[in-house]
Amino acid sequence: GENVEQHPSTLSVQEGDSAVIKCTYSDSASNYFPWYKQELGKRPQLIIDIRSNVGEKKDQRIAVTLNKTAKHFSLHITETQPEDSAVYFCAAAIHQGAQKLVFGQGTRLTINP
Amino acid sequence: DAGVIQSPRHEVTEMGQEVTLRCKPISGHNSLFWYRQTMMRGLELLIYFNNNVPIDDSGMPEDRFSAKMPNASFSTLKIQPSEPRDSAVYFCASRRDPYGYTFGSGTRLTVV
Repeated sequence: GENVEQHPSTLSVQEGDSAVIKCTYSDSASNYFPWYKQELGKRPQLIIDIRSNVGEKKDQRIAVTLNKTAKHFSLHITETQPEDSAVYFCAAAIHQGAQKLVFGQGTRLTINP
Repeated sequence: DAGVIQSPRHEVTEMGQEVTLRCKPISGHNSLFWYRQTMMRGLELLIYFNNNVPIDDSGMPEDRFSAKMPNASFSTLKIQPSEPRDSAVYFCASRRDPYGYTFGSGTRLTVV
């Protein structure tokens, strides 16, 4: 089955700097890659996703890149702000039927003012 | 849209007792997922349903865990008997193709 590895497990950056979180997946059939943000005590919330037919997607300060050959994808957050502090999870799925998501272990991002 | 609704939000129970967690998916969503979240193991998929039918329960840790989805608007996850190692946050999520998951607020289960 699918296996998703996520790095780093913790990341601390200065406010205004960029943050990058990387994930690798094992199943070459996976074609859907969402990212979730989870604040303390809250539910995971979808912030951006990418499908295998594109290599990059941007939404304001957030971007995701995908390299299908290498089977890795990354989340980029620019101009970080204190409210970006949270745990971020990557996931991978085969986009068919019910689309079962396999999650990475998460990255705790801390933005230092 | 009220989102995915889970109950209870918190549950404290004694070891050996039966625990039932409940989930109401978003209307129109045809897939429902139960996840368990712990610090050690992260987000683990326990079971998922498509059109009320269980598709994959390979993540259910043992026979003490069972899940049902009697109709499109309700699902339960039952643990009987509960053990301290079952303590975790249990999330329900639903989706409608081709969109992503929406998670519920979770049930924090503590077994003492």
